[in-house]
Amino acid sequence: SQQGEEDPQALSIQEGENATMNCSYKTSINNLQWYRQNSGRGLVHLILIRSNEREKHSGRLRVTLDTSKKSSSLLITASRAADTASYFCATDRMRGGTSYGKLTFGQGTILTVHP
Amino acid sequence: ETGVTQTPRHLVMGMTNKKSLKCEQHLGHNAMYWYKQSAKKPLELMFVYNFKEQTENNSVPSRFSPECPNSSHLFLHLHTLQPEDSALYLCASSQEWRGGEETQYFGPGTRLLVL
Repeated sequence: SQQGEEDPQALSIQEGENATMNCSYKTSINNLQWYRQNSGRGLVHLILIRSNEREKHSGRLRVTLDTSKKSSSLLITASRAADTASYFCATDRMRGGTSYGKLTFGQGTILTVHP
Repeated sequence: ETGVTQTPRHLVMGMTNKKSLKCEQHLGHNAMYWYKQSAKKPLELMFVYNFKEQTENNSVPSRFSPECPNSSHLFLHLHTLQPEDSALYLCASSQEWRGGEETQYFGPGTRLLVL
């Protein structure tokens, strides 16, 4: 399995419902980021959470980080059809206190919000 | 718009062609990146330039040749590509390269098809 694995791979919900996506990773990290990608487009940064933070909010987004379980979740509340996109977590992997020196992305969760 | 533009948006080339992808950022950033996004695979970092100096070459085949003439422009020169090189090529920039701790801003990508 890979660093930054998102779960589920695909999620289909109705407008107004909440969407929860999870990300698991294997190594130590300094921070974890969530990005969104509309079909065939570039990625857009959503939120960054540092390893010493447990929860962060931005508008309808809520991100949690549990470093003991090496996992993070992204919650989108009151979803809209415009939230339809792929969502990726990205981590700066560490080994022995040293960074790998790059962001490592997961394969993403495809979210579909039906009007 | 993220302030990062890429041209062309779509490119079809034969295996013997030579072409170049262009990326320009209008954010005053000092780091620029090339990523490859293939179907059903995680985003792969190819190259990193920080203050015009290449800091990362992620074992990319020599048929891909990057060029960074200044902090605002990044090129990816392509020659004798293979069909498996068909993918979405994404450019990104950040204030500076911080080994994965930076927030990156992505362009819309170039969809490349190698015949």
